[in-house]
Amino acid sequence: EPEVTQTPSHQVTQMGQEVILRCVPISNHLYFYWYRQILGQKVEFLVSFYNNEISEKSEIFDDQFSVERPDGSNFTLKIRSTKLEDSAMYFCASRPSGSGNEQFFGPGTRLTVL
Amino acid sequence: GQNIDQPTEMTATEGAIVQINCTYQTSGFNGLFWYQQHAGEAPTFLSYNVLDGLEEKGRFSSFLSRSKGYSYLLLKELQMKDSASYLCACTSYNTDKLIFGTGTRLQVFP
Repeated sequence: EPEVTQTPSHQVTQMGQEVILRCVPISNHLYFYWYRQILGQKVEFLVSFYNNEISEKSEIFDDQFSVERPDGSNFTLKIRSTKLEDSAMYFCASRPSGSGNEQFFGPGTRLTVL
Repeated sequence: GQNIDQPTEMTATEGAIVQINCTYQTSGFNGLFWYQQHAGEAPTFLSYNVLDGLEEKGRFSSFLSRSKGYSYLLLKELQMKDSASYLCACTSYNTDKLIFGTGTRLQVFP
């Protein structure tokens, strides 16, 4: 069964450093998302991406964040200058076209900012 | 605005039935998803309701009342592996982002 994959599973970085989180969505999916979940808190929407551009972003997704689909398979989230409060689990998700279709989540990348 | 409420924790016994409630106040509400999340893992899809009524899928059923802003997830014949967090999430018209509640952590005891 096809699945969303994410790398790395765990990333440790120093405050102020740049990190790139990588995702490979399911191949025939057209809509891509990033969510994050701070430990013990709810899953929060960051950004949605369709047709090679951002469709929607949340207040969390400020100028320090960017997304890219550099080729036909990868979907990346970059945090330019990490802060302590960026420590969280970051989930990538994708879904096919059509309304009401479930979003399939990847296993997540646990980001720890020291 | 968006507000989704679920109980924080619930406990139940193996083989029993449990109902997890979710109330929402969501601008332009479109549909409601239930996801299961085991500790340290990704959310996995359980059900989707857009119309009023009950959707049944094996041991799991989900109900929606749009007029009351209310949904529940019903788990039957509970198994130990059902111990997990259950996340209620809403979507609105003109957006497909999922807005999650805080989740209900269910513990199933033998």
